[in-house]
Amino acid sequence: DVKVTQSSRYLVKRTGEKVFLECVQDMDHENMFWYRQDPGLGLRLIYFSYDVKMKEKGDIPEGYSVSREKKERFSLILESASTNQTSMYLCASSRWDRGHEQYFGPGTRLTVT
Amino acid sequence: ELKVEQNPLFLSMQEGKNYTIYCNYSTTSDRLYWYRQDPGKSLESLFVLLSNGAVKQEGRLMASLDTKARLSTLHITAAVHDLSATYFCAVGVQGGSEKLVFGKGMKLTVNP
Repeated sequence: DVKVTQSSRYLVKRTGEKVFLECVQDMDHENMFWYRQDPGLGLRLIYFSYDVKMKEKGDIPEGYSVSREKKERFSLILESASTNQTSMYLCASSRWDRGHEQYFGPGTRLTVT
Repeated sequence: ELKVEQNPLFLSMQEGKNYTIYCNYSTTSDRLYWYRQDPGKSLESLFVLLSNGAVKQEGRLMASLDTKARLSTLHITAAVHDLSATYFCAVGVQGGSEKLVFGKGMKLTVNP
């Protein structure tokens, strides 16, 4: 079974702090994704990566950056957390071949106070 | 820009009843996915639809894809309480990208 894990289930940070969210997958998937999920808005893509050290902006990249130094690990960084970044963050991974579904991690609920 | 709309967004139904929910999308795509999310949990893949006319069934759920109409349906047969969850459809962006665009999700409540 594919397993996608995220470093924390719940996180509380203060405004202005630098926040790291980590995601690890164990199935040698090429593609990895970060989404945020907000009530009434569904899932929105923040960034994705299709290879080590490669990244592309998603639909809402502002205020975020990412890092992918190893194939299995994809980190989301909030350089200076703000209250409007309070959300559920979901990581996903998929194989490179077209049509393969994305597998999701359990999510990190981040609260910025 | 690809937009994905789900209809309805909320559905309350009785056990034993049938219903169909819809997922429309705005630009050409031949990859569509259905996911289920239970409260407080992550998304679980239900169906992968990769061609026009594709139909997949699992238990009381059946999904189909009409790429010409840019429409997918998720049909629920004889609903049971365990089907209560939020259902998302996601559509693949054309042009070699692995990106998906998600609908807002449909919250289904099945009442005894």
